[in-house]
Amino acid sequence: NAGVTQTPKFQVLKTGQSMTLQCAQDMNHEYMSWYRQDPGMGLRLIHYSVGAGITDQGEVPNGYNVSRSTTEDFPLRLLSAAPSQTSVYFCASSPILGNTIYFGEGSWLTVV
Amino acid sequence: GEDVEQSLFLSVREGDSSVINCTYTDSSSTYLYWYKQEPGAGLQLLTYIFSNMDMKQDQRLTVLLNKKDKHLSLRIADTQTGDSAIYFCAYYSGAGSYQLTFGKGTKLSVIP
Repeated sequence: NAGVTQTPKFQVLKTGQSMTLQCAQDMNHEYMSWYRQDPGMGLRLIHYSVGAGITDQGEVPNGYNVSRSTTEDFPLRLLSAAPSQTSVYFCASSPILGNTIYFGEGSWLTVV
Repeated sequence: GEDVEQSLFLSVREGDSSVINCTYTDSSSTYLYWYKQEPGAGLQLLTYIFSNMDMKQDQRLTVLLNKKDKHLSLRIADTQTGDSAIYFCAYYSGAGSYQLTFGKGTKLSVIP
């Protein structure tokens, strides 16, 4: 059982480039989400999904897109990377929100 | 003030008990969580408590919830060097909300 898998673990982008952070879970969880973690801060919600075909914005959605075509996958797209998006990104999933919420190992992104 | 407040640092000697405190503002919090993050790693769910509970014990971990004072604590008995990490308090408030609200984390340093 792999749990929540994120790729890539590390990435360096140039300003203006686009990329997709992948997230997959094999636990058949309905709820998935993306958070970013910045130094000295807790985690902030970017986007979330309560099921396939359903997505919504979190606290800091600007500059990011998501889609949920399957229950298993929830990719996060950076449309035009900016230095302010340098952060650690965590994907999370849960069978129902409020129950145990599992996080991936994180993706370290640097935008230069 | 912040939605979730934690002390930034805590230092204890190996073998002693550690107590990490957290205060929150949302009285409708339904689930409260403690996550552990080791350097360069993701978030590991340590334990969670439902808002109608006062205490939860799991091996070396004891969670106390004072709902009246909106205070959550995590006690680690017989603290080991492997417990050195950042500990995040978080809550989920329930209906209509789809995010966890995190504190900024408490860095626990265990002195051998």
